[in-house]
Amino acid sequence: QKEVEQNSGPLSVPEGAIASLNCTYSDRGSQSFFWYRQYSGKSPELIMSIYSNGDKEDGRFTAQLNKASQYVSLLIRDSQPSDSATYLCAVNRGNTGNQFYFGTGTSLTVIP
Amino acid sequence: DAGITQSPRHKVTETGTPVTLRCHQTENHRYMYWYRQDPGHGLRLIHYSYGVKDTDKGEVSDGYSVSRSKTEDFLLTLESATSSQTSVYFCATYRGGGLYEQYFGPGTRLTVT
Repeated sequence: QKEVEQNSGPLSVPEGAIASLNCTYSDRGSQSFFWYRQYSGKSPELIMSIYSNGDKEDGRFTAQLNKASQYVSLLIRDSQPSDSATYLCAVNRGNTGNQFYFGTGTSLTVIP
Repeated sequence: DAGITQSPRHKVTETGTPVTLRCHQTENHRYMYWYRQDPGHGLRLIHYSYGVKDTDKGEVSDGYSVSRSKTEDFLLTLESATSSQTSVYFCATYRGGGLYEQYFGPGTRLTVT
């Protein structure tokens, strides 16, 4: 079983719609959760971090964490073509500097 | 952005040759990491460092070694490159002290022929 799993997509949404990206993780001891955006040929860019159950909002982005279900999601409201990228879910297990695991990413295309 | 640079950005080398990739950061972050990214596998940790001269292995460390003689520099060496090490290599840093937010360098595309 992979540490972090994401649907690879591709996910296509029309401009202005809400894009919903999902991630599950295997270790119940995981403490910190992250979403990265990666444009083709570029490096991952941190867009959201979340550490406690519930929602965390930053602009058009909302991260949702449910530790009981071992589930993390990212909502992108009012999706723009510039949001077209691969979104990586990452998890830190146990609050240590070496226990980072990444999903394989979900490809998102926003259609103008 | 942690002011991370990587060199070289692109490299083509032959099987059996040694290769060293360099990561340089200007933010005095304690932790530094080397990842490789391959289709279908995502980002996988090769080695990491939690301080000068303090390093440890990650998930896919076979065939790689690292060194960190200064806070700002973290070197990744492929002692004898193989075609399976063709990949994109990313360096990342984390300040330390909680939150665990990692920031990535621009990457090095390595091709082993």
